[in-house]
Amino acid sequence: EAGVAQSPRYKIIEKRQSVAFWCNPISGHATLYWYQQILGQGPKLLIQFQNNGVVDDSQLPKDRFSAERLKGVDSTLKIQPAKLEDSAVYLCASSLKLGLAGEPQQYFGPGTRLTVT
Amino acid sequence: EDKVVQSPLSLVVHEGDTVTLNCSYEVTNFRSLLWYKQEKKAPTFLFMLTSSGIEKKSGRLSSILDKKELFSILNITATQTGDSAIYLCAVERRGGSNYKLTFGKGTLLTVNP
Repeated sequence: EAGVAQSPRYKIIEKRQSVAFWCNPISGHATLYWYQQILGQGPKLLIQFQNNGVVDDSQLPKDRFSAERLKGVDSTLKIQPAKLEDSAVYLCASSLKLGLAGEPQQYFGPGTRLTVT
Repeated sequence: EDKVVQSPLSLVVHEGDTVTLNCSYEVTNFRSLLWYKQEKKAPTFLFMLTSSGIEKKSGRLSSILDKKELFSILNITATQTGDSAIYLCAVERRGGSNYKLTFGKGTLLTVNP
């Protein structure tokens, strides 16, 4: 079974530029998550999708961050314009079904390491 | 606001030592507590705990949950250099149809030969 795919793996941009990250979840996984992990911190949920609908985006800085999952499969996270404090690893995760008993386990992709200079 | 506090934040041991990592939490509508291991890539799942007092075991790793005192421990016996990683604790909250994970900052474990 293929895992969660993310690209690019690394990105360096200057502040005020824009950047986009792509995620392809495990086949059949209805729920997709984007996390931000700043160095020395645990992952922080930015947005959660169930199929192509947003379930939770309460911690997404909507003035500069946006995400979509138009066909309910792969997803894109965008930052525009980027700030220095956006430097972090952006992790995508997927799980089989939201709230499925005994299967809350999220499978994580390798992440995209973003450096904003 | 949900809170997960892990201790210690970092730990250095020698191969063969036994370590205990701690995770305390405050969360409404608790559903489960999860442990992940994070090396230089994505977190990988170790354990999910939902009931108090039932030990989960996998090889040299074990974990237990105390829902009364709101904490969990992760034990690693006979540590090896390959155990060096960040160990993340997360709690899952149930809120209507939404299930959300909140992570702690992690414990950085370094196992020296």
